[in-house]
Amino acid sequence: AQSVTQLDSQVPVFEEAPVELRCNYSSSVSVYLFWYVQYPNQGLQLLLKYLSGSTLVKGINGFEAEFNKSQTSFHLRKPSVHISDTAEYFCAVSRMDSSYKLIFGSGTRLLVRP
Amino acid sequence: GAVVSQHPSRVICKSGTSVKIECRSLDFQATTMFWYRQFPKKSLMLMATSNEGSKATYEQGVEKDKFLINHASLTLSTLTVTSAHPEDSSFYICSAIPSGVYNEQFFGPGTRLTVL
Repeated sequence: AQSVTQLDSQVPVFEEAPVELRCNYSSSVSVYLFWYVQYPNQGLQLLLKYLSGSTLVKGINGFEAEFNKSQTSFHLRKPSVHISDTAEYFCAVSRMDSSYKLIFGSGTRLLVRP
Repeated sequence: GAVVSQHPSRVICKSGTSVKIECRSLDFQATTMFWYRQFPKKSLMLMATSNEGSKATYEQGVEKDKFLINHASLTLSTLTVTSAHPEDSSFYICSAIPSGVYNEQFFGPGTRLTVL
């Protein structure tokens, strides 16, 4: 079975500061890794995904994440946040087979303050 | 591209009534769709996998007779909450996988269900 842990339920940060949202996963098989963003009362939007290849993945809105297999982590980073980045961020994994199921972490609320 | 819509976006109903939520892939065909439920300030919990032309696969603990899923075409899946009760109030989100694509789901905007 797979599981995803997002230890930080909320991360407050000032505008233009850097941010890192942590994600660790557990799986007995190889997985794909994803970060999604959710704005209030909306669905999920894909920020980035790791399928294979380079462990540093760049996504939309200036976000990037690095896959670390030895530490089973996939932390999300942005060098300078904006007020508009305030949202809920979800890390997710899916097995590298045909099940396609996504297992989500509990989410981290990024709160950007002016 | 890869847009998924849900209808309605919000619905309020009386206890005991049934509510149907539609999930449509607007610009692609989706053999597989998923239904999730999200409680306030909580993560998404997968309810079921909807496969076109076959019965849905429900996750453990999800009542099949309570949450009826129909995936009658490659662009439409419906979730019917039967005999809804206040505890069924939640945010329901669907996602769809384009046929032939195996590693990305596209999410709908969600439906807020409130049962009085």
